[in-house]
Amino acid sequence: QPVLTQSPSASASLGASVRLTCTLSSGHSTYAIAWHQQQPEKGPRYLMKVNSDGSHYKGDGIPDRFSGSSSGAERYLTISSLQSEDEADYYCQTWGAATGVFGGGTKLTVL
Amino acid sequence: QVQLQQSGPGLVRPSQTLSLTCAISGDSVSSSSAAWNWIRQSPSRGLEWLGRTFLRSKWYNDYAVSVKSRITISPDTSKNQFSLHLNSVTPEDTAVYYCARDLSGYFVRWGQGILVTVSS
Repeated sequence: QPVLTQSPSASASLGASVRLTCTLSSGHSTYAIAWHQQQPEKGPRYLMKVNSDGSHYKGDGIPDRFSGSSSGAERYLTISSLQSEDEADYYCQTWGAATGVFGGGTKLTVL
Repeated sequence: QVQLQQSGPGLVRPSQTLSLTCAISGDSVSSSSAAWNWIRQSPSRGLEWLGRTFLRSKWYNDYAVSVKSRITISPDTSKNQFSLHLNSVTPEDTAVYYCARDLSGYFVRWGQGILVTVSS
């Protein structure tokens, strides 16, 4: 089944843009993934699904500042015009062999 | 809009059974397109998918290998909800437990989460 790899941390300044990366393991580069946001002391929230061709489908109410893209085995989440409330943990997630799979998460700090 | 409301005890004794319920509004547990999942989160394990139930031509279940011998997820169509039962719990089962609705394998809606502590 696929393994998802994320950098443990990232940081960017208020108003800037940041791109977070989720890497699919060898042999799984065509898999779609979902991005989820978890703000401090809250449960996860679905942001979007990102396909291998870069197309992405956002959940209800997700701002236009959030977008997704792909390159090979990498799936990206780009957040533009960073706001303080974007400081959160971001998890990627996929599905393989009748099993849900999560990445380890990236903690985003907004400076 | 689909909403998931979780309920259940926050403290379970070791060796006992952890039981949680997730009530669904805005969709049906008998949906032919959705599946209904349980996921937990702890500092040591991160987010861990536990299993799901879903109806296609009949009811199906998928379970994580790590808990397969101890877990049951079941629908209750009369109450439009689904439940998690995890038996023989140990302190390692202490976590925040979430229910979630998935469409084609992607968790598009999450419950609010319940912290369950396993302790004597």
